[in-house]
Amino acid sequence: DVKVTQSSRYLVKRTGEKVFLECVQDMDHENMFWYRQDPGLGLRLIYFSYDVKMKEKGDIPEGYSVSREKKERFSLILESASTNQTSMYLCASKLDRENYGYTFGSGTRLTVV
Amino acid sequence: AQSVTQLDSQVPVFEEAPVELRCNYSSSVSVYLFWYVQYPNQGLQLLLKYLSGSTLVKGINGFEAEFNKSQTSFHLRKPSVHISDTAEYFCAVSGAETSGSRLTFGEGTQLTVNP
Repeated sequence: DVKVTQSSRYLVKRTGEKVFLECVQDMDHENMFWYRQDPGLGLRLIYFSYDVKMKEKGDIPEGYSVSREKKERFSLILESASTNQTSMYLCASKLDRENYGYTFGSGTRLTVV
Repeated sequence: AQSVTQLDSQVPVFEEAPVELRCNYSSSVSVYLFWYVQYPNQGLQLLLKYLSGSTLVKGINGFEAEFNKSQTSFHLRKPSVHISDTAEYFCAVSGAETSGSRLTFGEGTQLTVNP
């Protein structure tokens, strides 16, 4: 089975800190995605990447950046964390040619205090 | 681009009653449709998906959904719910033939099954 692993399940950070959320997949998927999940808003796409060193803005990229230096790893970066970035963050991956085989990580619940 | 609307944010039902969670989508291209479930403090789990063929799709835990192209809907149904079905349910859409397509989610429906 494909696994998408998010490095932290729970994270507490201070306002203004630089925060890295890491996501690793083990099945050679080209496409990777970062979503945030908030009550009443569902999952919203922050950034995605079609392949190594490629990135595209999603629906809510403000305040975030990403890095994809290796195919298996997709990092979400909060340059200066703010309290409104307190949320659940979910990573997903899929093969480029299969628009139905999304695999999700377990999520990272980030609290910014 | 695609979008999804889940018509009910909360659905309370009694145990053993039938339930329908409604989902409408919009898209200019052919689509794949999905229902995911999230139990409290857990990750997303795929319930079922429609790719092509029969418009009635059966999933896990006794759920099924019907793809209606003319009404652009993909409603989720279960004839008799259990307490353990209490969870949040998400409808999602992806472009079928576009390379590198993205998955777009609805706002979610909280299903609460009461004894």
